[in-house]
Amino acid sequence: KQEVTQIPAALSVPEGENLVLNCSFTDSAIYNLQWFRQDPGKGLTSLLLIQSSQREQTSGRLNASLDKSSGRSTLYIAASQPGDSATYLCAVIYNFNKFYFGSGTKLNVKP
Amino acid sequence: GAVVSQHPSRVICKSGTSVKIECRSLDFQATTMFWYRQFPKQSLMLMATSNEGSKATYEQGVEKDKFLINHASLTLSTLTVTSAHPEDSSFYICSARRSEVSNQPQHFGDGTRLSIL
Repeated sequence: KQEVTQIPAALSVPEGENLVLNCSFTDSAIYNLQWFRQDPGKGLTSLLLIQSSQREQTSGRLNASLDKSSGRSTLYIAASQPGDSATYLCAVIYNFNKFYFGSGTKLNVKP
Repeated sequence: GAVVSQHPSRVICKSGTSVKIECRSLDFQATTMFWYRQFPKQSLMLMATSNEGSKATYEQGVEKDKFLINHASLTLSTLTVTSAHPEDSSFYICSARRSEVSNQPQHFGDGTRLSIL
């Protein structure tokens, strides 16, 4: 059974701080890994997609890394802003595009 | 960019009512769409995979007669919660992937908040 774990469950930081969100998964035979953000009561916004052959992806202040062998991914957010406050979800994708989501990290960036 | 539209965004109805939720890919064709459910303070759980022109594939523990899925075209999938009860109250989200492009991310709708009284 594929399990995806995200740590920490919640995080509160002052504006401007750099931070790291962690995601671990039990089955390393992944196809892709994707990071999303979810605002309260809303759907998902895709942030970064890392293919299984890749080590990392970057978009603006976001950098996601993938270590398949250890079953880990991290999302690095540089110079955090209050607008970054949201729940961040890690999704591991196996065959046939089946997504397995972690329970998320709820981030609060204080002005 | 790809856009997935989900409608309605919120439904409040009485117990025993059947509720239909639509998921549309607005600017691309999607052979396969996915339906997820999210209970409060929990992550998304895949319910079923919707395949255009064929029967949906349901995850273990999801009742196919309770959650009817129809994927009649390459841009539309519907989820009908039949005879809904309070325990069906949840946040339902669909996603779609471009049919003609492999290894591309799925695009998610904004979700439907279903509340059964």
